Amino acid sequence: EAAVTQSPRNKVAVTGGKVTLSCNQTNNHNNMYWYRQDTGHGLRLIHYSYGAGSTEKGDIPDGYKASRPSQENFSLILELATPSQTSVYFCASGEPRHHYAEQFFGPGTRLTVL
Amino acid sequence: GDSVTQTEGPVTLSEGTSLTVNCSYETKQYPTLFWYVQYPGEGPQLLFKVPKANEKGSNRGFEATYNKEATSFHLQKASVQESDSAVYYCALGERGSALGRLHFGAGTQLIVIP
Repeated sequence: EAAVTQSPRNKVAVTGGKVTLSCNQTNNHNNMYWYRQDTGHGLRLIHYSYGAGSTEKGDIPDGYKASRPSQENFSLILELATPSQTSVYFCASGEPRHHYAEQFFGPGTRLTVL
Repeated sequence: GDSVTQTEGPVTLSEGTSLTVNCSYETKQYPTLFWYVQYPGEGPQLLFKVPKANEKGSNRGFEATYNKEATSFHLQKASVQESDSAVYYCALGERGSALGRLHFGAGTQLIVIP
């Protein structure tokens, strides 16, 4: 069954530490996206990718990097984590040509930065 | 830029009562409109989408009509159940864009009391 999976599901990090959030999709979609979800803000786009080797900045990219080594995998990297990055992070995949911009979401990663 | 505004939550209802979640949008394009639902501990999932103005989308007893003149896409259900308790997101999608960008509202938490 086509799906988007994320790991880890929960993560506790220390301020200044490096954090990597991973996402895998079996939808064979070209596009992938990283969002963070905060009360009152909904889902905000951090980075996105059009395919392997491509990463682009979304609306709130500061403090985050992304990596897309293959069609299936898309990582979000926090080089120096800060408490303000405590949030729930969602990965999604999509194929705009075929799905009217519909996106398919993973289950999320809850990150706490102490 | 594109934006979506929806009813601020939480919205608390008794089982069997009717629901309306207001959604208004701003855009210079002709978007596709979406309602997503997010259950506790899960990622958002598509409830339904409507690509054309003046058409109605529906799923699981929920429905919404794409009103281009009023720039609205209000979510309605005649009789809510406890299992409808979730966060509901209204979103607009960029038609014909390679990015397949989705602009989300802030989300509306629905709590249904048995």
